[in-house]
Amino acid sequence: AQSVTQLDSHVSVSEGTPVLLRCNYSSSYSPSLFWYVQHPNKGLQLLLKYTSAATLVKGINGFEAEFKKSETSFHLTKPSAHMSDAAEYFCVVSSGNTGKLIFGQGTTLQVKP
Amino acid sequence: NAGVTQTPKFRILKIGQSMTLQCAQDMNHNYMYWYRQDPGMGLKLIYYSVGAGITDKGEVPNGYNVSRSTTEDFPLRLELAAPSQTSVYFCASSYSASGSGENIQYFGAGTRLSVL
Repeated sequence: AQSVTQLDSHVSVSEGTPVLLRCNYSSSYSPSLFWYVQHPNKGLQLLLKYTSAATLVKGINGFEAEFKKSETSFHLTKPSAHMSDAAEYFCVVSSGNTGKLIFGQGTTLQVKP
Repeated sequence: NAGVTQTPKFRILKIGQSMTLQCAQDMNHNYMYWYRQDPGMGLKLIYYSVGAGITDKGEVPNGYNVSRSTTEDFPLRLELAAPSQTSVYFCASSYSASGSGENIQYFGAGTRLSVL
């Protein structure tokens, strides 16, 4: 069975500093992994996805994530945080042929001026 | 460019009332999903559909029903609302479920439901 663990429930950074949101996954086969972002009172927006191609995945708004099979990790990074990055971030694994998504608990990113 | 449209955006129900949350997509997607999001939690799958006329239970189906008579629409029905169903409900759709990269799910803006 697939599962996802986001290692931090809350991350606080200063504007202009790097962002690291950590995610570990468990999967019995090669997974599809995603990061979604949810701004307050909004729906979810796809940031990036990994589907067994390049292990370093680039997404929107300067975010990227690296798939590390040996560490079963899919951490999300950004070199320089912007105030508009403040949001809830979800690491997600796709479960098999039905496309069902399994969500992590979410990480709240706070960006301080 | 409507994408996935959910109505209503907000609703307050009394215990025991029933209602239908509407979801429509205009992307000709085969797959549609209903999730609920409780405070401080990730989304949990209620029901999903792989095509018109086909639905299946997700992780938390109790207290809900769905139907899929057309490709575009996937309504979620609450028959006897309970306080435990207070949540934010999201509908999503995708073209396929395969690992080909086409299984990106697109989400609606959500319906905020309170049962009092």
